[in-house]
Amino acid sequence: DIVMSQSPSSLTVSVGEKITMNCKSSQSLLYSSNQKNYLAWYQQKPGQSPKLLIYWASTRESGVPDRFTGSGSGTDFTLTISSVKAEDLAVYYCQQYYSYPWTFGGGTKLEIK
Amino acid sequence: EVQLQQSGPELVKPGASMKISCKASGYSFTGYTMNWVKQSHRKNLEWIGLINPYNGVTRYNQKFKGKATLTVDKSSSTAYMELLSLTSEDSAVYYCARPYYAYDGGFPYWGQGTLVTVSA
Repeated sequence: DIVMSQSPSSLTVSVGEKITMNCKSSQSLLYSSNQKNYLAWYQQKPGQSPKLLIYWASTRESGVPDRFTGSGSGTDFTLTISSVKAEDLAVYYCQQYYSYPWTFGGGTKLEIK
Repeated sequence: EVQLQQSGPELVKPGASMKISCKASGYSFTGYTMNWVKQSHRKNLEWIGLINPYNGVTRYNQKFKGKATLTVDKSSSTAYMELLSLTSEDSAVYYCARPYYAYDGGFPYWGQGTLVTVSA
């Protein structure tokens, strides 16, 4: 199974700050035939289902604010929030869909000062 | 609008089995796999498996083979997950989720989750 590791496990920031969180996979998620990285990012707010933010590592889902940006390739990926808002309080998960079983990272909990 | 409506919370006794439903609407049910995800109290997300509603073909995470059984009823656009021989380790929120494409692309659509509590 592909192991997904996220860091940091938690992050406390002030509104307006720029933050990055990391996701590392135990093997490459880059499919050579189409040059796509099979990685998604989700946001889960307390009491809610996960919400897809990013797929193919860098494609923003419709309706997701452009302050959320996904980047990276191969085994190392990053989610950046350019200017954190209070509503971004949530746990963020990465997920690989390169090979079965699909696997998720342990999450990065974002807290607001 | 794509919607996935799951059945309500369940309190079940250890050793029992139970079935969760996920009724889909707003899209062609047989055009996309239906996936199931477990979220334990530790908040980790685990993919249980998927079913292709078109032909009933399933794919399971080895960890959940023998624990979960996935089925569908095409006539009602409903997916089911039966959980067998429940223990306290099975207490969790279970989600159904539909991928962006037929099989992959991440999960833009999720049910609201079904809380399963296993307790005597």
